[in-house]
Amino acid sequence: GAVVSQHPSWVICKSGTSVKIECRSLDFQATTMFWYRQFPKQSLMLMATSNEGSKATYEQGVEKDKFLINHASLTLSTLTVTSAHPEDSSFYICSAFPPGLRPKFFGPGTRLTVL
Amino acid sequence: GIQVEQSPPDLILQEGANSTLRCNFSDSVNNLQWFHQNPWGQLINLFYIPSGTKQNGRLSATTVATERYSLLYISSSQTTDSGVYFCAVSQGGSEKLVFGKGTKLTVNP
Repeated sequence: GAVVSQHPSWVICKSGTSVKIECRSLDFQATTMFWYRQFPKQSLMLMATSNEGSKATYEQGVEKDKFLINHASLTLSTLTVTSAHPEDSSFYICSAFPPGLRPKFFGPGTRLTVL
Repeated sequence: GIQVEQSPPDLILQEGANSTLRCNFSDSVNNLQWFHQNPWGQLINLFYIPSGTKQNGRLSATTVATERYSLLYISSSQTTDSGVYFCAVSQGGSEKLVFGKGTKLTVNP
């Protein structure tokens, strides 16, 4: 149980384009999901908290207009990187947890390369 | 916010050796998890251990919440244990996990 999936696993795009990444909880409903970013040889940094049916909350320094988050259902959150630039190239990982439980489960990640 | 420090940053072992990884945190926590990040980037849940001791096969973990640290023990290490081990915590009413910088473990045959 507690499986989180992401799609796509990797994506390459041109500078200036937008990319959408999906995060799904496969066997539970998640009112809250989290989006992290990990640069090479670094740790995971929380970008934002995705809340089902309401606006996401962003960590300090994360541009909400650049990283659009939509949590339209209890099993799906999407992260859209708008007008991507090479410095947005990173590994993006989502996390979720079943209601009433504390341990967090992570998706397999999406590797974004912006040319 | 809460600070999470992991040590050592790098660890190189021969297959069959034992190791101890440490995680110190700066404040009381409501959640502490240990993860293994494999070469493909997937975070594998090892332990949910805000306090106490747990064991799972060759791995065990202990968290002493009053002294604000946790230890991950790996016994009889195997090459497949290689990767980065992360400790992550959350505190208060928050569910947000804050990660340490990780320990990179290399197990040589």
